[in-house]
Amino acid sequence: DTGVSQNPRHKITKRGQNVTFRCDPISEHNRLYWYRQTLGQGPEFLTYFQNEAQLEKSRLLSDRFSAERPKGSFSTLEIQRTEQGDSAMYLCASSSPGTLGEQYFGPGTRLTVT
Amino acid sequence: AQKVTQAQTEISVVEKEDVTLDCVYETRDTTYYLFWYKQPPSGELVFLIRRNSFDEQNEISGRYSWNFQKSTSSFNFTITASQVVDSAVYFCAHMNTNAGKSTFGDGTTLTVKP
Repeated sequence: DTGVSQNPRHKITKRGQNVTFRCDPISEHNRLYWYRQTLGQGPEFLTYFQNEAQLEKSRLLSDRFSAERPKGSFSTLEIQRTEQGDSAMYLCASSSPGTLGEQYFGPGTRLTVT
Repeated sequence: AQKVTQAQTEISVVEKEDVTLDCVYETRDTTYYLFWYKQPPSGELVFLIRRNSFDEQNEISGRYSWNFQKSTSSFNFTITASQVVDSAVYFCAHMNTNAGKSTFGDGTTLTVKP
């Protein structure tokens, strides 16, 4: 089994631009999670999916953030009108139905907004 | 709202010393899960252990052991006879029982010197 993959690994964008990240979970995993991590902090929950349904979204997430998982496989996270405060590592994780939340994390996408 | 506190920001030990990483959590959930994850330098988060809130039995896995005390809302992690390869950032996390939103602590950076 391959692990969780994320693309791109690095993204540099100018303030005000839109960016989209992709996450491919482990194939049999039905749950997919997005987190944001800044230096010296733990991962901050953004949202999660069970199959294609988005079941919870953090109140910290502004309307500029949206996530999809259209066929219950890969997921995309889009940030519109990026701001410098969006600069962070964006992590994706997945878990399988029988493992009670044990998450497998991807390598992350590092976003730098200039 | 849940909160996870890892009061030790950084710990430095010499190889073969025992070290305990502290984790204290706050939750209104009556049932929940607690986790420890390891993040090696420039690496992905790796799952170490999950405990259910109704199971306070301590667990040992090789050099690793975990002490869960619901009465004090603590879930501490001990590494016995530490090794250089144990150097990493360790995160404690709380998850609600629908295996959705996770709340992570800010991590403890462990450095094991030879």
